Amino acid sequence: SQQGEEDPQALSIQEGENATMNCSYKTSINNLQWYRQNSGRGLVHLILIRSNEREKHSGRLRVTLDTSKKSSSLLITASRAADTASYFCVINTNAGKSTFGDGTTLTVKP
Amino acid sequence: EAEVAQSPRYKITEKSQAVAFWCDPISGHATLYWYRQILGQGLELLVQFQDESVVDDSQLPKDRFSAERLKGVDSTLKIQPAELGDSAMYLCASSLGTGETESNQPQHFGDGTRLSIL
Repeated sequence: SQQGEEDPQALSIQEGENATMNCSYKTSINNLQWYRQNSGRGLVHLILIRSNEREKHSGRLRVTLDTSKKSSSLLITASRAADTASYFCVINTNAGKSTFGDGTTLTVKP
Repeated sequence: EAEVAQSPRYKITEKSQAVAFWCDPISGHATLYWYRQILGQGLELLVQFQDESVVDDSQLPKDRFSAERLKGVDSTLKIQPAELGDSAMYLCASSLGTGETESNQPQHFGDGTRLSIL
């Protein structure tokens, strides 16, 4: 399966700490995207990183991509209680197919 | 706040009944997706439309599920008859473009319909 696999499945940290989530995949990709889903809501797009990029930043988010290892990581710095959500990586192939992973559930304790 | 409109937000029905979900994507978005999400799991693509045409329905259980997007704008997903295992969140998403550039574009999601089958 080309599906992204997130690791860990669940993560619990204290407010102010950094949170790191990882995504591994098996196929060649065009790009990889990260989404957030608050409980009972739809997904919100966070960041897209192309296959020829190695790192991108957006506010407190930092995404890295290592195509040789077929892996990506999402770092949230100085976490807040409002960051509590599930985070999904999405693998996008050159054929235009998108596949979601099962997500990492992040809990940030105040 | 979700920009893609979905209704209803919640639906409770008995097994063997028919149920329908509606989605209105962001204006001008050519691509529309229907996903199913079982609680605590990832998203399963049910059907993808490009304008009014189906481009991927390989995971759609066609014996009971149907989807249409007649004028290439809003869309309806139907289940008939519903089964207990259909209980899930049904999410609609849309994105702007077509072809190989499609995967470069973010998907915009509605808040979904939570379906419970009794």
